Amino acid sequence: DVKVTQSSRYLVKRTGEKVFLECVQDMDHENMFWYRQDPGLGLRLIYFSYDVKMKEKGDIPEGYSVSREKKERFSLILESASTNQTSMYLCASSLQGTTDTQYFGPGTRLTVL
Amino acid sequence: DAKTTQPNSMESNEEEPVHLPCNHSTISGTDYIHWYRQLPSQGPEYVIHGLTSNVNNRMASLAIAEDRKSSTLILHRATLRDAAVYYCILRDVGGGSTFNKFYFGSGTKLNVKP
Repeated sequence: DVKVTQSSRYLVKRTGEKVFLECVQDMDHENMFWYRQDPGLGLRLIYFSYDVKMKEKGDIPEGYSVSREKKERFSLILESASTNQTSMYLCASSLQGTTDTQYFGPGTRLTVL
Repeated sequence: DAKTTQPNSMESNEEEPVHLPCNHSTISGTDYIHWYRQLPSQGPEYVIHGLTSNVNNRMASLAIAEDRKSSTLILHRATLRDAAVYYCILRDVGGGSTFNKFYFGSGTKLNVKP
């Protein structure tokens, strides 16, 4: 079974802190994604990566950056956390191809105080 | 990107079939129709996908209208564990720079009554 793991299920940080969210997948997938999920807004794509060291902005990249130094690991970075970044963060991965099913991690609920 | 429209919520009785509708009137010829669901406190999980023909797997069936402007996810016998938010998503494989992006709407919240 494909497994996507995220470093924390729950995280509480203070405004202005630098926050790292880690995601690891074990199926040698080329593509990895970061979404945030907010009530009434569904899932929104922040960034995605289709190869090591490659990244593309999603729909809401402002306030975030990403890093992909190894194929299996994709990190989301909040340079200076703000209260409006309180959300559920979901990581996903997929193979490249027409079926490209996305496999999601369990999510990290981040609270910024 | 082509959009989908789903009812906000639906209710079903346990062990009865459930038909979850999705409208996608602006679908293009290269859009695949994907369904995902999200159980409480979990990330979304893949359910089924198709292009033109109806599809079946162990979880569900997908019925696609002949003009492809709508589709229906069918759960043959709903269980309490099927209570989730179900997302209907269009995935364009026509090339360009979409790079496998999925657009999740608000989905349909399915409530299953015992």
